[in-house]
Amino acid sequence: DAKTTQPTSMDCAEGRAANLPCNHSTISGNEYVYWYRQIHSQGPQYIIHGLKNNETNEMASLIITEDRKSSTLILPHATLRDTAVYYCIVRALVSGNTPLVFGKGTRLSVIA
Amino acid sequence: GAVVSQHPSRVICKSGTSVKIECRSLDFQATTMFWYRQFPKQSLMLMATSNEGSKATYEQGVEKDKFLINHASLTLSTLTVTSAHPEDSSFYICSARAWAGGFTGELFFGEGSRLTVL
Repeated sequence: DAKTTQPTSMDCAEGRAANLPCNHSTISGNEYVYWYRQIHSQGPQYIIHGLKNNETNEMASLIITEDRKSSTLILPHATLRDTAVYYCIVRALVSGNTPLVFGKGTRLSVIA
Repeated sequence: GAVVSQHPSRVICKSGTSVKIECRSLDFQATTMFWYRQFPKQSLMLMATSNEGSKATYEQGVEKDKFLINHASLTLSTLTVTSAHPEDSSFYICSARAWAGGFTGELFFGEGSRLTVL
């Protein structure tokens, strides 16, 4: 799986959009970008994933650059409950059962 | 999303005793589940891959005789920490991949089980 680089930490004001960047310059053509988050003392929560098109769901939007070497997770209106560690993971969507490998992620602090 | 449930969420035990943690996929079947361990302020580390009806596959450095994994059904995997010691105190998390019900292979995680060994 391609390596990802994320900032260690970020702050965001409550109600504002939180934009979390991720660099994955060695991504392969068959690799997807996945985002998970982990709120303190809970298991990771799936947020969104995409291949090359921008994706949006009820939780967030995922913007992938045209060259696919970086992406941004957008939480449109951050709340205090969005404070968590956000993990960007790149891997192929394989039919077999392979695990996710977690990096250090970005610790997002939403401030009132 | 798909639901993966762990039990217990917290357990405190004495050194030398064994502790069993259950992981269930509530609304889908999982032929494979994954067990992770997380120490304070660190990321999740994969411990083992649990395969229904066969032996688990352990990551390098994880003692298979200490961390017993059983995956007897398509919805249940158990992790037993045998002869637990204080250094085994950690947050244990299971996960499973959902392929049915509109899901396309996303991994879903349990709530985690915090083990404290006194």
